[in-house]
Amino acid sequence: KAGVTQTPRYLIKTRGQQVTLSCSPISGHRSVSWYQQTPGQGLQFLFEYFSETQRNKGNFPGRFSGRQFSNSRSEMNVSTLELGDSALYLCASSYTGTGLGAEAFFGQGTRLTVV
Amino acid sequence: LAKTTQPISMDSYEGQEVNITCSHNNIATNDYITWYQQFPSQGPRFIIQGYKTKVTNEVASLFIPADRKSSTLSLPRVSLSDTAVYYCLVGDGNYGQNFVFGPGTRLSVLP
Repeated sequence: KAGVTQTPRYLIKTRGQQVTLSCSPISGHRSVSWYQQTPGQGLQFLFEYFSETQRNKGNFPGRFSGRQFSNSRSEMNVSTLELGDSALYLCASSYTGTGLGAEAFFGQGTRLTVV
Repeated sequence: LAKTTQPISMDSYEGQEVNITCSHNNIATNDYITWYQQFPSQGPRFIIQGYKTKVTNEVASLFIPADRKSSTLSLPRVSLSDTAVYYCLVGDGNYGQNFVFGPGTRLSVLP
């Protein structure tokens, strides 16, 4: 089956701009989580959506937001970009997001560079 | 949250068995132990998950002692392509704030 697809793979934006990243989960998966990965902070959880509802949220400022559509596809938006937002943004999907065997499948990520 | 501690890095040679141990002293009753592998500029990939005793799949084994305060990922006969960062995670499987990635163990497999 097709894996998790993230678009675009690479993005360069200017400080102050906003950006929208997209994630298409594996067919049938209803849970989508977003992570930010930087060399200094490692992998940090942003938020998780399940059936169009945000279930969990990490410790990121309100400039980071997301949503999930009825087909489980998810988008993440970052407004007023800062240099420190440069990172690899990863999306993970799983069937339920909870419980034993709730294996998360990660996409290849979107590499965002803010200049 | 159950915090995990792993070695920051390990070196091994091709063909050897590699054991990476993870400490999780305050693991909760409902927590599972999950290991992920990550190559540079790629998303993590699920390796194995367990609750107690031993779990084995086609790529690795996971050993969990009775007190569950630690776990050991065993990779048999590693190859150069096993060079990656390995993360141990402890949580109830809820992919939210309970799913915390630590710094992981950077495994370097040498020829």
